[in-house]
Amino acid sequence: NAGVMQNPRHLVRRRGQEARLRCSPVKGHSHVYWYRQLPEEGLKFMVYLQKENIIDESGMPKERFSAEFPKEGPSILRIQQVVRGDSAAYFCASSPLGQGGTDTQYFGPGTRLTVL
Amino acid sequence: DAKTTQPPSMDCAEGRAANLPCNHSTISGNEYVYWYRQIHSQGPQYIIHGLKNNETNEMASLIITEDRKSSTLILPHATLRDTAVYYCIVRLHNAGKSTFGDGTTLTVKP
Repeated sequence: NAGVMQNPRHLVRRRGQEARLRCSPVKGHSHVYWYRQLPEEGLKFMVYLQKENIIDESGMPKERFSAEFPKEGPSILRIQQVVRGDSAAYFCASSPLGQGGTDTQYFGPGTRLTVL
Repeated sequence: DAKTTQPPSMDCAEGRAANLPCNHSTISGNEYVYWYRQIHSQGPQYIIHGLKNNETNEMASLIITEDRKSSTLILPHATLRDTAVYYCIVRLHNAGKSTFGDGTTLTVKP
């Protein structure tokens, strides 16, 4: 079984450009989570999505950041008008449907965003 | 989610057991203990989780105290490839987000 896939693995953008990060969850998983890890810091939760729904976006910056998980296709984390402070590793995780079963989150390899 | 406390770093000799402690004194009755590790900025890797009983899988064992206020992750025969940051997380099932602390940096030495 393929694990969580993220692309691109490395992304370089200039200040003011847009960054689009994609995440394909484990086959059969319907929950997706995005985390950010700034240099030399720990992972911070950003957003939790199910298909076509944002469940918890308490960790998302209020401006410039958005996320979606459409009915078909990967989850997308979009950062508009990037700034140098957005440079970080962005990790996606997925989990199966809960309802009494495990909702263990499995992480992808991450996308490393560098803003010049 | 309950707060966890872990030592910032530990060393272990190759081939010996690595015992990584975690304190979670404010854990509630239906919160699970999860362990992940992150090897050199790769994506976090799930290791094991448990609620009350001790658990074992092909990677590690998890020992949870009877009062559930602390737990220990045991890597029975540490190798150099086990050098990583180990995170102990306490969360409800279906809670969504996981709250990562600073973790323990385990260094396995030859």
